[in-house]
Amino acid sequence: QSALTQPASVSGSPGQSITISCTGTSSDVGGYNYVSWYQQHPGKAPKLMIYDVSNRPSGVSNRFSGSKSGNTASLTISGLQAEDEADYYCSSYTSSSVFGGGTKLTVL
Amino acid sequence: QVQLQESGPGLVKPSQTLSLTCTVSGGSISSGSYYWSWIRQPAGKGLEWIGRIYTSGSTNYNPSLKSRVTISVDTSKNQFSLKLSSVTAADTAVYYCARDWAKSYYFDYWGQGTLVTVSS
Repeated sequence: QSALTQPASVSGSPGQSITISCTGTSSDVGGYNYVSWYQQHPGKAPKLMIYDVSNRPSGVSNRFSGSKSGNTASLTISGLQAEDEADYYCSSYTSSSVFGGGTKLTVL
Repeated sequence: QVQLQESGPGLVKPSQTLSLTCTVSGGSISSGSYYWSWIRQPAGKGLEWIGRIYTSGSTNYNPSLKSRVTISVDTSKNQFSLKLSSVTAADTAVYYCARDWAKSYYFDYWGQGTLVTVSS
């Protein structure tokens, strides 16, 4: 199985919105509504931010939202804050599980 | 609050078998709602899912690692374990254990991670 495709980096200024894409195939992202997103700060374990494409766990800010169209899922962060600077990973079910390569978000 | 904690040797010699255990506290590993997964991350690189186990003992592995991976569960100790055989330097990584929702395949609780270095 191949890793899902994410941009290596994105950036935005405080208060702006950014979107991170996650592209797979009809065998993973496009075939199931089991896409999840994780935030990882340096030296820390990943944290679940979105599950089942667009659901937020309790305690996650509503500035984080998820969507999917065809074989591409997206994570949008609105009202960027300095604390959002981190690495972000998508994951999808595909008869097993697969992660994206990760996207480094820089808050300018 | 569910907590997961990885344990095991931090240094493994090439060609040997890497063995790690994840201890779950704050909840029963026997709950039918979850799988239990291992995930790794080489330094400076992305996450790689290794495999998962259900409390029944059924397993699902990453096809690229399947020939070398064994995941087992000990419900009496509330633990699950990873064995990765014939390791090379490419297996050097931080290894995480995580709780995995059985119906949606997302990882909601993670251990802090443990660094395993493969070196002679």
